[in-house]
Amino acid sequence: NAGVTQTPKFQVLKTGQSMTLQCAQDMNHNSMYWYRQDPGMGLRLIYYSASEGTTDKGEVPNGYNVSRLNKREFSLRLESAAPSQTSVYFCASRKPGGRPEAFFGQGTRLTVV
Amino acid sequence: AQSVTQPDIHITVSEGASLELRCNYSYGATPYLFWYVQSPGQGLQLLLKYFSGDTLVQGIKGFEAEFKRSQSSFNLRKPSVHWSDAAEYFCAVYMRFGAGTRLTVKP
Repeated sequence: NAGVTQTPKFQVLKTGQSMTLQCAQDMNHNSMYWYRQDPGMGLRLIYYSASEGTTDKGEVPNGYNVSRLNKREFSLRLESAAPSQTSVYFCASRKPGGRPEAFFGQGTRLTVV
Repeated sequence: AQSVTQPDIHITVSEGASLELRCNYSYGATPYLFWYVQSPGQGLQLLLKYFSGDTLVQGIKGFEAEFKRSQSSFNLRKPSVHWSDAAEYFCAVYMRFGAGTRLTVKP
Protein backbone atom coordinates (compact mmCIF):
# COMPACT_ATOMS: atom_id res chain seq x y z
CA ASN A 1 0.00 0.00 0.00
CA ALA A 2 1.78 3.12 -1.22
CA GLY A 3 -0.75 5.64 0.17
CA VAL A 4 0.35 9.16 -0.74
CA THR A 5 3.61 9.48 -2.67
CA GLN A 6 5.47 12.75 -3.13
CA THR A 7 8.38 13.44 -5.43
CA PRO A 8 11.03 14.65 -5.11
CA LYS A 9 11.96 14.29 -1.44
CA PHE A 10 14.57 17.05 -1.55
CA GLN A 11 15.19 19.90 -3.95
CA VAL A 12 17.40 22.96 -4.10
CA LEU A 13 16.38 25.75 -6.45
CA LYS A 14 17.89 29.05 -7.37
CA THR A 15 15.75 32.16 -7.03
CA GLY A 16 13.63 32.56 -10.13
CA GLN A 17 13.71 28.93 -11.19
CA SER A 18 10.53 26.96 -11.60
CA MET A 19 9.62 23.45 -10.55
CA THR A 20 6.69 21.14 -10.01
CA LEU A 21 6.13 19.02 -6.94
CA GLN A 22 4.31 15.81 -7.70
CA CYS A 23 1.79 14.00 -5.53
CA ALA A 24 -0.09 10.79 -6.22
CA GLN A 25 -2.45 8.73 -4.09
CA ASP A 26 -3.71 5.23 -4.68
CA MET A 27 -6.60 5.22 -2.21
CA ASN A 28 -9.28 6.48 -4.59
CA HIS A 29 -9.74 9.63 -2.52
CA ASN A 30 -11.61 12.56 -3.99
CA SER A 31 -9.98 15.38 -2.01
CA MET A 32 -6.34 16.30 -2.12
CA TYR A 33 -4.37 19.07 -0.41
CA TRP A 34 -1.06 20.87 -0.49
CA TYR A 35 0.41 22.29 2.71
CA ARG A 36 3.62 24.00 3.62
CA GLN A 37 5.22 23.53 7.02
CA ASP A 38 7.40 26.20 8.55
CA PRO A 39 8.85 26.25 12.08
CA GLY A 40 6.36 27.52 14.63
CA MET A 41 3.58 27.88 12.08
CA GLY A 42 2.26 24.37 11.74
CA LEU A 43 0.81 23.32 8.42
CA ARG A 44 -0.70 26.03 6.28
CA LEU A 45 -2.97 25.14 3.41
CA ILE A 46 -1.79 26.32 0.00
CA TYR A 47 -4.38 24.81 -2.34
CA TYR A 48 -6.84 21.99 -2.28
CA SER A 49 -8.90 20.02 -4.74
CA ALA A 50 -12.24 18.66 -3.65
CA SER A 51 -12.57 16.50 -6.73
CA GLU A 52 -11.03 15.86 -10.11
CA GLY A 53 -11.19 19.01 -12.19
CA THR A 54 -11.62 21.46 -9.31
CA THR A 55 -9.09 23.43 -7.31
CA ASP A 56 -9.41 26.14 -4.67
CA LYS A 57 -7.10 28.49 -2.82
CA GLY A 58 -6.18 27.93 0.77
CA GLU A 59 -4.55 30.26 3.28
CA VAL A 60 -1.29 30.95 1.43
CA PRO A 61 -1.73 30.48 -2.34
CA ASN A 62 0.41 33.35 -3.60
CA GLY A 63 3.34 32.21 -5.73
CA TYR A 64 1.88 28.77 -6.38
CA ASN A 65 -0.29 27.05 -8.95
CA VAL A 66 -1.82 23.60 -8.89
CA SER A 67 -3.15 21.04 -11.33
CA ARG A 68 -5.47 18.15 -10.56
CA LEU A 69 -4.38 16.00 -13.43
CA ASN A 70 -6.72 13.13 -12.64
CA LYS A 71 -8.18 11.56 -9.53
CA ARG A 72 -4.81 10.20 -8.45
CA GLU A 73 -2.49 13.13 -9.06
CA PHE A 74 -2.30 16.67 -7.71
CA SER A 75 0.76 18.74 -8.58
CA LEU A 76 2.06 22.00 -7.10
CA ARG A 77 4.03 24.38 -9.29
CA LEU A 78 6.33 27.21 -8.32
CA GLU A 79 6.67 29.43 -11.40
CA SER A 80 9.42 31.68 -10.06
CA ALA A 81 10.84 30.41 -6.80
CA ALA A 82 11.66 32.85 -4.00
CA PRO A 83 13.65 32.29 -0.78
CA SER A 84 10.39 32.75 1.17
CA GLN A 85 9.18 29.53 -0.40
CA THR A 86 11.87 27.54 1.36
CA SER A 87 9.79 25.08 3.34
CA VAL A 88 8.69 21.51 3.71
CA TYR A 89 5.72 20.73 1.50
CA PHE A 90 3.19 18.05 2.30
CA CYS A 91 0.53 16.56 0.13
CA ALA A 92 -2.49 14.94 1.72
CA SER A 93 -5.59 13.14 0.56
CA ARG A 94 -8.83 12.61 2.37
CA LYS A 95 -11.25 9.74 2.57
CA PRO A 96 -14.57 10.33 0.82
CA GLY A 97 -17.68 10.91 2.86
CA GLY A 98 -18.31 13.14 5.83
CA ARG A 99 -15.45 12.05 8.10
CA PRO A 100 -12.31 13.76 6.90
CA GLU A 101 -9.41 11.63 8.04
CA ALA A 102 -6.34 12.70 6.08
CA PHE A 103 -3.38 10.72 4.85
CA PHE A 104 -0.07 12.46 4.31
CA GLY A 105 2.91 11.99 2.08
CA GLN A 106 6.43 12.01 3.45
CA GLY A 107 7.06 15.59 2.39
CA THR A 108 9.34 17.49 0.03
CA ARG A 109 12.04 19.62 1.56
CA LEU A 110 12.59 22.59 -0.73
CA THR A 111 15.38 25.12 -0.36
CA VAL A 112 15.47 28.24 -2.52
CA VAL A 113 18.81 29.99 -2.56
CA ALA B 1 -13.68 31.02 10.70
CA GLN B 2 -11.97 27.86 11.78
CA SER B 3 -8.89 28.16 13.94
CA VAL B 4 -6.81 25.88 16.10
CA THR B 5 -4.59 27.02 18.95
CA GLN B 6 -1.91 24.95 20.59
CA PRO B 7 -0.70 27.18 23.43
CA ASP B 8 2.48 25.24 24.18
CA ILE B 9 5.23 25.46 21.58
CA HIS B 10 7.57 23.11 23.43
CA ILE B 11 7.05 20.75 26.37
CA THR B 12 9.65 18.69 28.20
CA VAL B 13 8.65 15.74 30.36
CA SER B 14 10.57 12.98 32.07
CA GLU B 15 10.22 9.45 30.81
CA GLY B 16 7.45 7.72 32.74
CA ALA B 17 5.70 10.98 33.62
CA SER B 18 2.23 11.84 32.44
CA LEU B 19 1.61 14.15 29.51
CA GLU B 20 -1.10 16.56 28.50
CA LEU B 21 -0.95 18.61 25.32
CA ARG B 22 -3.49 21.38 24.97
CA CYS B 23 -5.61 22.24 21.98
CA ASN B 24 -8.34 24.84 21.64
CA TYR B 25 -10.41 25.34 18.54
CA SER B 26 -12.87 27.73 17.04
CA TYR B 27 -15.47 26.26 14.76
CA GLY B 28 -19.08 27.06 14.09
CA ALA B 29 -20.54 23.59 13.88
CA THR B 30 -19.78 20.21 15.38
CA PRO B 31 -16.07 19.87 14.86
CA TYR B 32 -14.18 16.97 13.44
CA LEU B 33 -11.05 16.89 15.61
CA PHE B 34 -7.76 15.12 15.15
CA TRP B 35 -4.36 14.69 16.71
CA TYR B 36 -1.40 13.83 14.48
CA VAL B 37 2.18 13.04 15.37
CA GLN B 38 5.24 13.84 13.28
CA SER B 39 8.62 12.27 13.91
CA PRO B 40 11.66 14.14 12.59
CA GLY B 41 11.88 14.03 8.81
CA GLN B 42 8.62 12.15 8.50
CA GLY B 43 5.07 12.85 7.44
CA LEU B 44 2.12 13.08 9.79
CA GLN B 45 0.55 10.03 11.36
CA LEU B 46 -2.96 10.04 12.77
CA LEU B 47 -3.05 9.38 16.53
CA LEU B 48 -6.79 9.67 17.12
CA LYS B 49 -9.94 11.39 15.96
CA TYR B 50 -13.26 12.62 17.28
CA PHE B 51 -16.39 12.93 15.20
CA SER B 52 -19.24 12.39 17.66
CA GLY B 53 -20.34 10.25 20.59
CA ASP B 54 -18.15 9.42 23.55
CA THR B 55 -16.07 12.48 24.37
CA LEU B 56 -13.07 10.43 25.52
CA VAL B 57 -11.38 8.84 22.53
CA GLN B 58 -8.60 6.31 22.51
CA GLY B 59 -5.85 6.33 19.94
CA ILE B 60 -2.74 4.50 19.00
CA LYS B 61 0.43 4.27 21.11
CA GLY B 62 -1.52 4.64 24.37
CA PHE B 63 -2.78 8.16 23.70
CA GLU B 64 -6.23 9.45 24.51
CA ALA B 65 -7.99 12.78 24.09
CA GLU B 66 -11.04 14.36 25.64
CA PHE B 67 -13.44 16.60 23.76
CA LYS B 68 -14.94 19.35 25.91
CA ARG B 69 -17.45 21.38 23.98
CA SER B 70 -17.94 23.93 26.77
CA GLN B 71 -14.24 24.74 26.73
CA SER B 72 -13.71 24.28 22.98
CA SER B 73 -10.84 21.99 23.84
CA PHE B 74 -9.49 18.66 22.68
CA ASN B 75 -6.49 17.90 24.89
CA LEU B 76 -4.21 14.96 24.27
CA ARG B 77 -3.05 12.82 27.18
CA LYS B 78 -0.81 9.89 27.92
CA PRO B 79 -0.38 8.38 31.42
CA SER B 80 3.29 7.42 31.03
CA VAL B 81 5.54 8.85 28.35
CA HIS B 82 8.16 6.77 26.59
CA TRP B 83 11.35 8.13 25.02
CA SER B 84 9.97 7.17 21.61
CA ASP B 85 7.11 9.64 22.06
CA ALA B 86 9.48 12.54 21.44
CA ALA B 87 8.06 14.19 18.34
CA GLU B 88 5.91 17.09 17.21
CA TYR B 89 2.20 16.88 17.80
CA PHE B 90 -0.45 18.66 15.79
CA CYS B 91 -4.07 19.24 16.63
CA ALA B 92 -6.43 19.77 13.71
CA VAL B 93 -10.05 20.70 13.21
CA TYR B 94 -11.20 19.33 9.91
CA MET B 95 -8.24 20.14 7.63
CA ARG B 96 -6.93 23.17 9.55
CA PHE B 97 -3.91 22.61 11.78
CA GLY B 98 -2.49 24.20 14.88
CA ALA B 99 1.11 25.38 15.06
CA GLY B 100 2.23 22.21 16.80
CA THR B 101 3.78 21.27 20.14
CA ARG B 102 7.25 19.80 20.21
CA LEU B 103 7.68 17.16 22.89
CA THR B 104 11.06 16.41 24.41
CA VAL B 105 11.41 13.39 26.71
CA LYS B 106 14.13 13.44 29.36
CA PRO B 107 15.67 10.13 30.40
